[in-house]
Amino acid sequence: KAGVTQTPRYLIKTRGQQVTLSCSPISGHRSVSWYQQTPGQGLQFLFEYFSETQRNKGNFPGRFSGRQFSNSRSEMNVSTLELGDSALYLCASSWGGAGRTDTQYFGPGTRLTVL
Amino acid sequence: AQSVAQPEDQVNVAEGNPLTVKCTYSVSGNPYLFWYVQYPNRGLQFLLKYITGDNLVKGSYGFEAEFNKSQTSFHLKKPSALVSDSALYFCAVRDGDSGYSTLTFGKGTMLLVSP
Repeated sequence: KAGVTQTPRYLIKTRGQQVTLSCSPISGHRSVSWYQQTPGQGLQFLFEYFSETQRNKGNFPGRFSGRQFSNSRSEMNVSTLELGDSALYLCASSWGGAGRTDTQYFGPGTRLTVL
Repeated sequence: AQSVAQPEDQVNVAEGNPLTVKCTYSVSGNPYLFWYVQYPNRGLQFLLKYITGDNLVKGSYGFEAEFNKSQTSFHLKKPSALVSDSALYFCAVRDGDSGYSTLTFGKGTMLLVSP
């Protein structure tokens, strides 16, 4: 079974631009979560989607948004990029049906560099 | 609010020796606990989880973890370390009694296994 895929793997943008990252979950998984990983802050939760509905949201500004499609694929968008948005963005998928006991499986991440 | 502490930024161990990576947690409800490993330029790989039952949980690649409710700890262990175990290890917690609670990660512990 194929794992979680994320595209693109690397991205370079300049301040003020916007970016869209894509995540395809493991087949059969209906829940997708997004995390931002930086050396200083570690792994921080962005949001979680289940069956096209946002189920949880972390403490990030409104510039960070996401959505999930009917095939469970998810995208996250960051508008008006800032230097501090440079990070590894990780997507994780889980079945969604087991709720809190679900295991999240991570993709390889998208490395975003903002210049 | 839930939190995870990994008190050691780095753990050094010689190949063949036992290893322990420490994790303590804070959560208001029942803790659901997870360990992940991250290799350079890769996403997180799931190692093991504790939901309920036996306090000693066995996982992938020979790793195991011991849940201790009174000490609110979930230390990761392996009887004999390999050089290939060198990586960044993350402990995570979710509140088992709180609806669609999110997964909160510790800052990570770098494990270095010397030949």
